[in-house]
Amino acid sequence: DAKTTQPNSMESNEEEPVHLPCNHSTISGTDYIHWYRQLPSQGPEYVIHGLTSNVNNRMASLAIAEDRKSSTLILHRATLRDAAVYYCILRRGDYKLSFGAGTTVTVRA
Amino acid sequence: DSGVTQTPKHLITATGQRVTLRCSPRSGDLSVYWYQQSLDQGLQFLIQYYNGEERAKGNILERFSAQQFPDLHSELNLSSLELGDSALYFCASSEGGAGANVLTFGAGSRLTVL
Repeated sequence: DAKTTQPNSMESNEEEPVHLPCNHSTISGTDYIHWYRQLPSQGPEYVIHGLTSNVNNRMASLAIAEDRKSSTLILHRATLRDAAVYYCILRRGDYKLSFGAGTTVTVRA
Repeated sequence: DSGVTQTPKHLITATGQRVTLRCSPRSGDLSVYWYQQSLDQGLQFLIQYYNGEERAKGNILERFSAQQFPDLHSELNLSSLELGDSALYFCASSEGGAGANVLTFGAGSRLTVL
């Protein structure tokens, strides 16, 4: 499996940006970088994904390093509702799509 | 509502029993994925189907089996249940198996084995 490495936890203050790093040094050329988050007692939900270029959507931004060996999910203004476990995964098609432990984000009011 | 429907939401049963979890994918999605999440654990990939065919297999126990039917709904069968099988079971669906395809998860089925 293509592996990703994320910090176990991060803390942020409300209305401040949050930068969540993800290392994926063994990424292959066909791997897409996906981010999902799981709020307490809920199923995971899609956040954003990209291949090579940086991506923006209404939830977040994804910054992908030029060599694609790392990426950063950016939550521009954290709210209490953003407290969740954030998973960075690599997706290359029909393959065992495993999620690691993710990063637990805590937002302080 | 994500569009992925899982039933039942909660299930309590005894060791040695057999249960079936059901998943209806989002309209238009052909791929279905099953995951197991034990207490304070990450999501463990079990199995993936695409249009009725098995496409990828994770560390799914031999006591567990799954299938995807012609109407694209999927069922996960868990037999000879053990206490350690207590977990949240999530189903996800996607348009296909391509790397760009996004997964949509259901709300999960919580299984408790006593």
